[in-house]
Amino acid sequence: GNSVTQMEGPVTLSEEAFLTINCTYTATGYPSLFWYVQYPGEGLQLLLKATKADDKGSNKGFEATYRKETTSFHLEKGSVQVSDSAVYFCALSGGYNKLIFGAGTRLAVHP
Amino acid sequence: GAVVSQHPSWVICKSGTSVKIECRSLDFQATTMFWYRQFPKQSLMLMATSNEGSKATYEQGVEKDKFLINHASLTLSTLTVTSAHPEDSSFYICSARVPGLAGTRETQYFGPGTRLLVL
Repeated sequence: GNSVTQMEGPVTLSEEAFLTINCTYTATGYPSLFWYVQYPGEGLQLLLKATKADDKGSNKGFEATYRKETTSFHLEKGSVQVSDSAVYFCALSGGYNKLIFGAGTRLAVHP
Repeated sequence: GAVVSQHPSWVICKSGTSVKIECRSLDFQATTMFWYRQFPKQSLMLMATSNEGSKATYEQGVEKDKFLINHASLTLSTLTVTSAHPEDSSFYICSARVPGLAGTRETQYFGPGTRLLVL
């Protein structure tokens, strides 16, 4: 079945550090891939997405490339800010447009 | 665009009472909405898919009679937790798809969530 595996957190970084959050997936067919972000006490916000192999999603300095050969969709940002502190969820679209989420990775950025 | 709201944002109730949570698409019509449950520091668990004008489709292990879903209009879905118990305390989040918009068929937009505490 379809599944998403994310690196375990928490990830703790200093401001302006480089961020990578790994995400790999298992899926039949060709799913779309997403990164969502959840700030404390809030719902999820779509951060970026990619709908086919080699697509790169980007938003607010974050990027992720859909790698079919490695079944990965790693999230990267060149210079994190304190305001990026949140929980990040990798997800894929399963059958019937259902989203399958990874466990989430908590990011804490310190000044 | 693609704003989803939920009401209430948090609710405290006594054990045995029922609680209704509303999910609204504010600037689009949503034929399909989704209800999730999230436990502290955990991922989202899909509870059910809410389809306008028809019965909801529940995920395995989710009690239909416990979690009643009504999607009576294209902009509103409701989740009613019946005879709530402390173990129902959780963060409930809804989402909606934006139909007909190129490139967004599979994108879900999420509400801010409703925190339920059952005493």
